[in-house]
Amino acid sequence: DAGVTQSPTHLIKTRGQHVTLRCSPISGHKSVSWYQQVLGQGPQFIFQYYEKEERGRGNFPDRFSARQFPNYSSELNVNALLLGDSALYLCASSLDTSEQFFGPGTRLTVL
Amino acid sequence: ILNVEQSPQSLHVQEGDSTNFTCSFPSSNFYALHWYRWETAKSPEALFVMTLNGDEKKKGRISATLNTKEGYSYLYIKGSQPEDSATYLCAPGDYKLSFGAGTTVTVRA
Repeated sequence: DAGVTQSPTHLIKTRGQHVTLRCSPISGHKSVSWYQQVLGQGPQFIFQYYEKEERGRGNFPDRFSARQFPNYSSELNVNALLLGDSALYLCASSLDTSEQFFGPGTRLTVL
Repeated sequence: ILNVEQSPQSLHVQEGDSTNFTCSFPSSNFYALHWYRWETAKSPEALFVMTLNGDEKKKGRISATLNTKEGYSYLYIKGSQPEDSATYLCAPGDYKLSFGAGTTVTVRA
């Protein structure tokens, strides 16, 4: 069975641009969570979606948004990119609110 | 988001030796504690989900204990092998996991 997949693997953007990151959960999982990991820190919770509705949001500005599609895949959008948005963005899927299974992440570099 | 501390930040272990490290978290409103192993260039791998005070979980040579009353968990690696080299993350929480910065373990052959 395929695990959680994320695309793209890497991308480079410039300040002010917009970015969309994509995540496909494990088959049968209805919940997707997004985390941001900057060097030297643990991942920080951004969003969780369950059954296509936002269940929770972390302490991130409104420039960050997400959505979940009928097939349970998800997109994370970040507008007006700042240098500080450079990070590894991790997606995790779960059956409900329990054990979360992570993808390999998308490495975003903002120049 | 909870304040989670892991110590030490890093440690070096000789192959065959055993080691352990700590995760500290707020004891109030405890829901569950997750442990992950994260190898370089790979996805974080779920090791344990622990919910009950006094819980002990084991997976091969790796085990963990949980004390929810005082807010800490220990992770143990018995007979360390080079493939155990990774960053070990703990995260208390329900669906909003609050990760510590991790303990990076390097096993020397």
